[in-house]
Amino acid sequence: ETGVTQTPRHLVMGMTNKKSLKCEQHLGHNAMYWYKQSAKKPLELMFVYSLEERVENNSVPSRFSPECPNSSHLFLHLHTLQPEDSALYLCASSQDTGGWGTEAFFGQGTRLTVV
Amino acid sequence: AQSVTQLDSHVSVSEGTPVLLRCNYSSSYSPSLFWYVQHPNKGLQLLLKYTSAATLVKGINGFEAEFKKSETSFHLTKPSAHMSDAAEYFCVVPVSRAGGTSYGKLTFGQGTILTVHP
Repeated sequence: ETGVTQTPRHLVMGMTNKKSLKCEQHLGHNAMYWYKQSAKKPLELMFVYSLEERVENNSVPSRFSPECPNSSHLFLHLHTLQPEDSALYLCASSQDTGGWGTEAFFGQGTRLTVV
Repeated sequence: AQSVTQLDSHVSVSEGTPVLLRCNYSSSYSPSLFWYVQHPNKGLQLLLKYTSAATLVKGINGFEAEFKKSETSFHLTKPSAHMSDAAEYFCVVPVSRAGGTSYGKLTFGQGTILTVHP
């Protein structure tokens, strides 16, 4: 148990579907992230939320839409995805202390397959 | 900007033999550095963390890493590999923001897959 829970663990969706990934952290952190992990590519940071405000959007296509209703929950809404969007989507959280060397805590990921 | 390079995409060892996973970093100042591990179909777990308090850092499961500024390296080692160590390992550097602090945004190396043979 890492303190960061992602659901569902696996998702298969068609290109015309709409689905959402959910992430919940029980660590009292104030920052949350979505990362994408594709085969043979380094982890890519998609979105950053700090204090429930989106502070970063790394050129992610609009078919991915994040939502952070409170500091404990993060969603990734998906619509009209492409097969190349198939990947492991990882949620992470951290505590912004204004210091240095802050690590992030990860969920187990959602394995997404777009057919 | 900070970056990390993992020098081996795959490392294969026999059970009971030493493990060495290599990582070089690039930074204009002394960074913090992490190693994370990812077992198959699992999320990422922090193995150990360097934040300038001590150059030799001990982590979980018998792993340790030594920060060498002169070589810009942060290699991960373990004296004796176990079958359960088979996983992918990531060398990671936090991204700084204005003012020199960080808050959890990370830059990952390409990963090293460790295979352990009986």
